Amino acid sequence: SQTIHQWPATLVQPVGSPLSLECTVEGTSNPNLYWYRQAAGRGLQLLFYSVGIGQISSEVPQNLSASRPQDRQFILSSKKLLLSDSGFYLCAWSADRETNEKLFFGSGTQLSVL
Amino acid sequence: DAKTTQPNSMESNEEEPVHLPCNHSTISGTDYIHWYRQLPSQGPEYVIHGLTSNVNNRMASLAIAEDRKSSTLILHRATLRDAAVYYCILRRGNTPLVFGKGTRLSVIA
Repeated sequence: SQTIHQWPATLVQPVGSPLSLECTVEGTSNPNLYWYRQAAGRGLQLLFYSVGIGQISSEVPQNLSASRPQDRQFILSSKKLLLSDSGFYLCAWSADRETNEKLFFGSGTQLSVL
Repeated sequence: DAKTTQPNSMESNEEEPVHLPCNHSTISGTDYIHWYRQLPSQGPEYVIHGLTSNVNNRMASLAIAEDRKSSTLILHRATLRDAAVYYCILRRGNTPLVFGKGTRLSVIA
């Protein structure tokens, strides 16, 4: 069966520090991968999605970036965190076989930038 | 992306049916109607989706209006574990899901 791993679960970082969040998927190949963010009390915002290695689409301009170095690995990064980067970060995957494939979400990373 | 409109919040008594409405008057012919829910401190999970016909699965039922401009997610017997934010999303093909604010469902024991 397929599983998605996302870590760490919680993270406290000072303003200006770098960020690296990692997400890996097991049990499938060539998944579509997504990064979402949920700020406190707000809805889910799509940040990046990827349909293949090295293929990244950015939905919102910001100081975050994403990379997909391997088929089932998706990394969210920042060189210098801002206070506004605080939030609940969620990685998700879907199969790339048919339309309307379900999205499966990881357990999320709660990031606090202080 | 076509937009959806949902009430901000709803309340239900435990073990009673819940009807969660969603308006999508600008839906196009190729848009599917998806529902996801998000329990507290968790990522969203898939509930159900449909195109034109009503759909049933073990979690819920989806009733779609004949003109497709609205739909209703039906939880047949609400439990405390159904308390969550429910998102109604229009999706074309395998495009990424774009979440709105959803409906926060509270279930009263």
